[in-house]
Parts: sequence; C-alpha cells; structure tokens
Amino acid sequence: GQQLNQSPQSMFIQEGEDVSMNCTSSSIFNTWLWYKQDPGEGPVLLIALYKAGELTSNGRLTAQFGITRKDSFLNISASIPSDVGIYFCAGRNAGGTSYGKLTFGQGTILTVHP
Amino acid sequence: DTAVSQTPKYLVTQMGNDKSIKCEQNLGHDTMYWYKQDSKKFLKIMFSYNNKELIINETVPNRFSPKSPDKAHLNLHINSLELGDSAVYFCASSSEGSPLHFGNGTRLTVT
Repeated sequence: GQQLNQSPQSMFIQEGEDVSMNCTSSSIFNTWLWYKQDPGEGPVLLIALYKAGELTSNGRLTAQFGITRKDSFLNISASIPSDVGIYFCAGRNAGGTSYGKLTFGQGTILTVHP
Repeated sequence: DTAVSQTPKYLVTQMGNDKSIKCEQNLGHDTMYWYKQDSKKFLKIMFSYNNKELIINETVPNRFSPKSPDKAHLNLHINSLELGDSAVYFCASSSEGSPLHFGNGTRLTVT
C-alpha cells in the first residue's frame, strides 16, 4: 500500500533549539496534516495544508506543503519542554473523498531537555 | 465537553474473551472511524462509518465488528481476543472538509 516516510524517527534536543521534521510520499497528496500526540492521549491536529506551496504557521509551528505535492515539513522554533510528544504527518490522496483514508507517517518522537 | 470520548480507557482481558469499546462524539460530525495504533506507534485505519453506513473496511479480521447505532456513536466489538490484538484503539470523527478529531484512545492488553 501507500507509504509515507517520516523523518527523523526521534530527536533529542535542548530547550530553545529549533526542530525540523519532514514527510515524503511515493504518490501525490492533495492535503497534508500535522498532528501531535501527547502520552496517553489521542493525536491533536496542529496544522492543515491544502495547496501545493502553502506555508502555514500556528504560533511557533510552521508547516509547508511541498511544490511537488509529495512532501511536507514541520518546523518548531524555540522549543519548550511541553513540545515533547510524537508528531505525525498524514496525507490524503489526490482524488480521495474521505478524510478517513488518511495515510499516516511513522511518527517523530521529540524529547526536549530543559 | 469532551469532543470525542471513548470508554474504557484501559482494558485488560484474557485470550479468547469478547470485549467492546464504545465511542461517542458531540461535534455533529457525520463520519466516525476506528484506528489501531501498534507498539511502534503506527496508526492504521480499521473502519469508517458515514451516517451509520460502513464506508471503509480495511483488511481486519472478522473477529472485529463495528456497530453504529446513530451517527454520534460507533462501537467496536472484538470476539475471541488474541495476544496480537493488544494495541491502542482510537476513535475519530470528521465531517466533509474537516480533518479528523481523535478520542484519547483505549489501551487494550490481552494476556
């Protein structure tokens, strides 16, 4: 089936550092989503991207929908301890009609040292 | 005022038992889903219901049977539980044009 390659798998950083993670796909997507999962909770939507080239910010988070429509990245600036968690990218196919048919990346585990 | 709520949060049971997980959403969404998250944190869709009608049914053993009594509820019944069923099961909901909203998960442990 379809695959999303998310990297890095894990990151260990110091508080205040910037973070960057990305996802690449073998096929074209028309929507990219970025979620964060805290321990013991469900994923929570951070940013949604709907157009190739789109760059969207949400506080210290910035995400971009790649021009080729096969990739997306998420940046976190000036990390803080509560940024700890698992970050997932998710994509919906071009031509897909259901958000349920999202394909998820493998997740990036972020650890922030105070 | 929880948007997507599922119960129980933890479920520990023995192999061979039958168990159910319940999910309710108060967002007015018309589509609900079950996702499974394995030990490596990979999220994979199992089922999707739109207005009580099954629209996505991925390759899942038929021991798993979803049931949607109305569009605000989607339950998951699992028969003859196996060790490999141990995982976190997430309910989610959405409407056309909106991303998924997830519940907080049910951690199922089969011993």
